[in-house]
Amino acid sequence: TQTVSQSDAHVTVFEGDSVELRCNYSYGGSIYLSWYIQHHGHGLQFLLKYYSGNPVVQGVNGFEAEFSKSDSSFHLRKASVHWSDSAVYFCAVSAGYAQGLTFGLGTRVSVFP
Amino acid sequence: DMKVTQMPRYLIKRMGENVLLECGQDMSHETMYWYRQDPGLGLQLIYISYDVDSNSEGDIPKGYRVSRKKREHFSLILDSAKTNQTSVYFCASSLSRLGGRNAEQFFGPGTRLTVL
Repeated sequence: TQTVSQSDAHVTVFEGDSVELRCNYSYGGSIYLSWYIQHHGHGLQFLLKYYSGNPVVQGVNGFEAEFSKSDSSFHLRKASVHWSDSAVYFCAVSAGYAQGLTFGLGTRVSVFP
Repeated sequence: DMKVTQMPRYLIKRMGENVLLECGQDMSHETMYWYRQDPGLGLQLIYISYDVDSNSEGDIPKGYRVSRKKREHFSLILDSAKTNQTSVYFCASSLSRLGGRNAEQFFGPGTRLTVL
């Protein structure tokens, strides 16, 4: 069974600041990792994913994430946030084929002008 | 236009009534999912469908059943709804089974179900 932990429930930043959202997982085998964003009142939208290869992956709207097998982590970063980045961010893992995603509890990001 | 739709968006039912939540996608995706989202619990997987009439239980299937008779439609059914099934329900679809390179999930806007 895989688990996902997002250590920060709420992060507050100012527009133009950088932000890092932490995600740690537990699973012993090959793993598929992804990040999703949910704006208030909407469904989740895919940001980026990692399955193999380069541990730093680029996503939409300037987001990137770095996979670390040694730390069991997949942290999400953005160099300069915009007010429209205010949302809840979910880290998700899957152990592979024929399984749905296991989500973390989410990190709410509030961006102030 | 790639889209997952859900109907209805809001629904209020009384305990013991039957509930039908519908989901459609226009991307010819093989795999579809139902999740529920609750404060403090995040999103939890209820059912997966790999194609027409090929469904599998997720993490919390009790009290729910599903139906997929066409690839583009996936229904979630609550027979005799309970108050603890009050939640926001999300449908999602993906091109292939998870683990592959095309496993991004596309989510619908959600259905807010209240069971009184």
